[in-house]
Amino acid sequence: NAGVTQTPKFQVLKTGQSMTLQCAQDMNHNSMYWYRQDPGMGLRLIYYSASEGTTDKGEVPNGYNVSRLNKREFSLRLESAAPSQTSVYFCAVDRDNNSPLHFGNGTRLTVT
Amino acid sequence: GENVEQHPSTLSVQEGDSAVIKCTYSDSASNYFPWYKQELGKRPQLIIDIRSNVGEKKDQRIAVTLNKTAKHFSLHITETQPEDSAVYFCAASKSSASKIIFGSGTRLSIRP
Repeated sequence: NAGVTQTPKFQVLKTGQSMTLQCAQDMNHNSMYWYRQDPGMGLRLIYYSASEGTTDKGEVPNGYNVSRLNKREFSLRLESAAPSQTSVYFCAVDRDNNSPLHFGNGTRLTVT
Repeated sequence: GENVEQHPSTLSVQEGDSAVIKCTYSDSASNYFPWYKQELGKRPQLIIDIRSNVGEKKDQRIAVTLNKTAKHFSLHITETQPEDSAVYFCAASKSSASKIIFGSGTRLSIRP
């Protein structure tokens, strides 16, 4: 029972390259989220998915796209990476509105 | 949209003393207020939460208070111990929307 699994754990990209961050859960929860964490900025919501087949923008969606492939998986794509996207990315899930978030271990992304 | 402000950004207390972290929120419809603890290099984890129908909640050395009129809530840690050193985040959400918005975090250090 892994909970929330993120891959990869670390990634280095050059400016302009693309990549997809993967998130999978075995908790059978409906809602999934992508956050980025930068020093002094806390956790900022990029995109979220309240249920399979739906996605919505969060606080900082520019430069990202998401796909809710099925109930288990929610991926985050950077089409053309920029140094400003250097950050730690966390995927999280919760059962429904107003319930605790369960986080993955994070992906540390560096864009040079 | 919801905005959550958190103070202070850093806090240093003597071991055994109490620590208080404060947050304010902007959306009067918010009704769920969780607190997360993040140790260095780890994922955030829920430590306590409170819903808007309750004014105070305690769990051993941790307590959270909520003032709906003033739109602020606080985390209180008593008899602090070295293992309490971490970054603490407050958050707010409402049952009509899946968005969970975080404060910018407080780095708590416990002095021996």
